[in-house]
Amino acid sequence: DQQVKQNSPSLSVQEGRISILNCDYTNSMFDYFLWYKKYPAEGPTFLISISSIKDKNEDGRFTVFLNKSAKHLSLHIVPSQPGDSAVYFCAASASGGSYIPTFGRGTSLIVHP
Amino acid sequence: DVKVTQSSRYLVKRTGEKVFLECVQDMDHENMFWYRQDPGLGLRLIYFSYDVKMKEKGDIPEGYSVSREKKERFSLILESASTNQTSMYLCASTQQGLIYGYTFGSGTRLTVV
Repeated sequence: DQQVKQNSPSLSVQEGRISILNCDYTNSMFDYFLWYKKYPAEGPTFLISISSIKDKNEDGRFTVFLNKSAKHLSLHIVPSQPGDSAVYFCAASASGGSYIPTFGRGTSLIVHP
Repeated sequence: DVKVTQSSRYLVKRTGEKVFLECVQDMDHENMFWYRQDPGLGLRLIYFSYDVKMKEKGDIPEGYSVSREKKERFSLILESASTNQTSMYLCASTQQGLIYGYTFGSGTRLTVV
């Protein structure tokens, strides 16, 4: 059973617009959430994270929002750029457990010029 | 620049062959991981290691084994390669206790024919 779900396999956005990537989780023990970005033929790179004590974390064009009651988080990219085209993985971990992140299946973002 | 290095970017092996995938990190990290990435399935944990000579099964260990004789090196072994092990294999490392500090290698694209 998937504990971290990214229900949209792909997303297409126009350059300059906002990209919103969604992620849902089922395990209430998760208290740390991460987003990774992956280009083809490269390993994932860490993008941004958020602890459950916060509901928002911002880093430049990237903002992650966490809604604990809904067990939902989202990654906003504003403005979107063609170089943002990649696969984005949501991950969640429980600091009281093994802390090893559980990854979602990824969302492929395509930003059109 | 800190690195996780995977020895091969592309490999083609025959069914039944024994396959070794090597991973080396230069960050003195305690923890090392092997994932495989398949379209629509995301990142799935095969094995991980918290310390030298120590290994733990991940979510999909069947058909794989690992070796960690030195802190910096973590090897994934396919005892008898099969076509369903054709995949992108990703090695990662992180410092003990850090839940966000995954550094991934560039991946090895393995094709079993």
